[in-house]
Amino acid sequence: TQLLEQSPQFLSIQEGENLTVYCNSSSVFSSLQWYRQEPGEGPVLLVTVVTGGEVKKLKRLTFQFGDARKDSSLHITAAQPGDTGLYLCAGGPRNNQGGKLIFGQGTELSVKP
Amino acid sequence: DAGVIQSPRHEVTEMGQEVTLRCKPISGHNSLFWYRQTMMRGLELLIYFNNNVPIDDSGMPEDRFSAKMPNASFSTLKIQPSEPRDSAVYFCASSFRRGSADTQYFGPGTRLTVL
Repeated sequence: TQLLEQSPQFLSIQEGENLTVYCNSSSVFSSLQWYRQEPGEGPVLLVTVVTGGEVKKLKRLTFQFGDARKDSSLHITAAQPGDTGLYLCAGGPRNNQGGKLIFGQGTELSVKP
Repeated sequence: DAGVIQSPRHEVTEMGQEVTLRCKPISGHNSLFWYRQTMMRGLELLIYFNNNVPIDDSGMPEDRFSAKMPNASFSTLKIQPSEPRDSAVYFCASSFRRGSADTQYFGPGTRLTVL
């Protein structure tokens, strides 16, 4: 069974601080996605990485896929209150059956003004 | 464009009652996923369909849960009989299956409370 472990589970920081969220597995994934979920809504895709070592930037957010495609990180620079939410990583299994994704447990981020 | 539509948004029922959750995927999408989210277990995949055909239902907790997709624009998740431990937010998501990195588009969820 392929699992994704996220850390930390909870993170409370002040506006302007930097943070990194990690997503780790002992299994190789064909792709890794990051979603963000706000209260009362469904998750929304932020980014997809598919190549080992790939780095993608989305404004103040930087996403990296590990060289071995077993892990990923999300780094936020100068966090703002609007970044508050639940961040979920999701991996596409190597023998991807019909587009299935395996989700991590999520990191609950709170950015205080 | 309309996103994934789920109904009802909130459902409160008593233990033993039948509950039916509904989902309308994004037009043109050929994959549909049902998830359950709780604080304790996070986001769990229950079942998913490709071209209206169930592919993997290994995440369905027990026989009390069943899902159908009679056509490309409608799916239901039924719980009969419901139990308090079924209380959770249930999400439906759809995608267009084209490769290994498909984007899933989630509905707003149905918050189910079983008393």
